[in-house]
Amino acid sequence: GAVVSQHPSRVICKSGTSVKIECRSLDFQATTMFWYRQFPKQSLMLMATSNEGSKATYEQGVEKDKFLINHASLTLSTLTVTSAHPEDSSFYICSQKAGANTDTQYFGPGTRLTVL
Amino acid sequence: AQSVTQLGSHVSVSEGALVLLRCNYSSSVPPYLFWYVQYPNQGLQLLLKYTSAATLVKGINGFEAEFKKSETSFHLTKPSAHMSDAAEYFCAVENRDDKIIFGKGTRLHILP
Repeated sequence: GAVVSQHPSRVICKSGTSVKIECRSLDFQATTMFWYRQFPKQSLMLMATSNEGSKATYEQGVEKDKFLINHASLTLSTLTVTSAHPEDSSFYICSQKAGANTDTQYFGPGTRLTVL
Repeated sequence: AQSVTQLGSHVSVSEGALVLLRCNYSSSVPPYLFWYVQYPNQGLQLLLKYTSAATLVKGINGFEAEFKKSETSFHLTKPSAHMSDAAEYFCAVENRDDKIIFGKGTRLHILP
């Protein structure tokens, strides 16, 4: 299957700083990308959906000014957690869909964010 | 929108025994159903997916799932558990807007 990478795999930051997480598709062009958050021992919750070249659509309860998503190209999406706080500590996972006519999303390996 | 319910947050089976993880979807027939596995501190790996082509879906690692419309179920099974099967398993549904909604997950424990 297709390969999706995330960078970094782990990040520790101080409260108040911003952290950028990258999600790349290595062998296909992703028209749609999704960002999920997973708290310890919980399921994945969809945060937002982004289509290349357009603004992201955020799920209810997700602050768009806090979680900035940029889908600048067909192979790269970034999630920036601005002014991070300890409650933002979580596992962030991206997924990508290769096109409108495909039924498969490919998930990245995840990024563990710890905010001190 | 579609949703899924996983029965049992923890399931324990003996090595070599049958694995059965339960999943029910909401009433209308979803376009796609999935089972994913997640090992500790890792992302998701797709086990199998239902796309209406066949009600019995075979996946990787010996897992399979059967779509039963009459029961609105999509339970995951494996005839013989292996220690390496210990992980978190998520049932999921993809809605027509391409959003995947996950169940709460079931932690599978394998007893020696």
